[in-house]
Amino acid sequence: DIQMTQSPSTLSASVGDRVTITCRASQSISTWLAWYQQKPGKAPKLLIYKASSLESGVPSRFSGSGSGTEFTLTISSLQPDDFATYYCQQYYSFSPFTFGGGTKVEIK
Amino acid sequence: QVQLQESGPGLVKPSQTLSLTCTVSGGSISSGNYHWNWIRQPAGKGLEWIGRIHTSGTTTYNPSLKSRLTISVDTSKNQFSLKLSSVTAADTAVYYCARDYAWYFDCWGQGTLLTVSS
Repeated sequence: DIQMTQSPSTLSASVGDRVTITCRASQSISTWLAWYQQKPGKAPKLLIYKASSLESGVPSRFSGSGSGTEFTLTISSLQPDDFATYYCQQYYSFSPFTFGGGTKVEIK
Repeated sequence: QVQLQESGPGLVKPSQTLSLTCTVSGGSISSGNYHWNWIRQPAGKGLEWIGRIHTSGTTTYNPSLKSRLTISVDTSKNQFSLKLSSVTAADTAVYYCARDYAWYFDCWGQGTLLTVSS
């Protein structure tokens, strides 16, 4: 299995902050990476696919970058609605698809 | 706008078979080249992909669950289903159904909690 490691596991930030979350793959996955946002009691929501493509309807303050084994999700100016847990997912290999452990963005 | 809705028993006894169904509304499950997935999340933990099916019947399973897993589709009912045999407490989780077009999940159900307990 391709292991996905996210850091940090928890991040404390204030409204207006620039936030960066890192996701590392145990082997190269090219740009076959997606990012999701999950709020408590809700299903994950797709934010980014193919490492840097913004899903329709997602605010432009979200951006993704990276290739190979290292990827980042950046929120340019954190908004109150952005406090949530974020997951990366690799889809280079579907045997199996794997997710990172999650990064919880908390209010500082 | 396509919507997905999971349904299931809520509680299953250890060693029994878990059965869940996902109903697709707002569009035909057969339209477009989509795969239909199951993903689960134990309380307070991360996401685990279980497996997927195409309306052609082609399935792909997580190797860690493959020996206990069956995913099927009923296009006449616009539904797909999950059966997981010999369940244990480790299978207790929120189970989500989700759609993928290009191997990432763009549409999710709200999730259903499945508890394994005697």
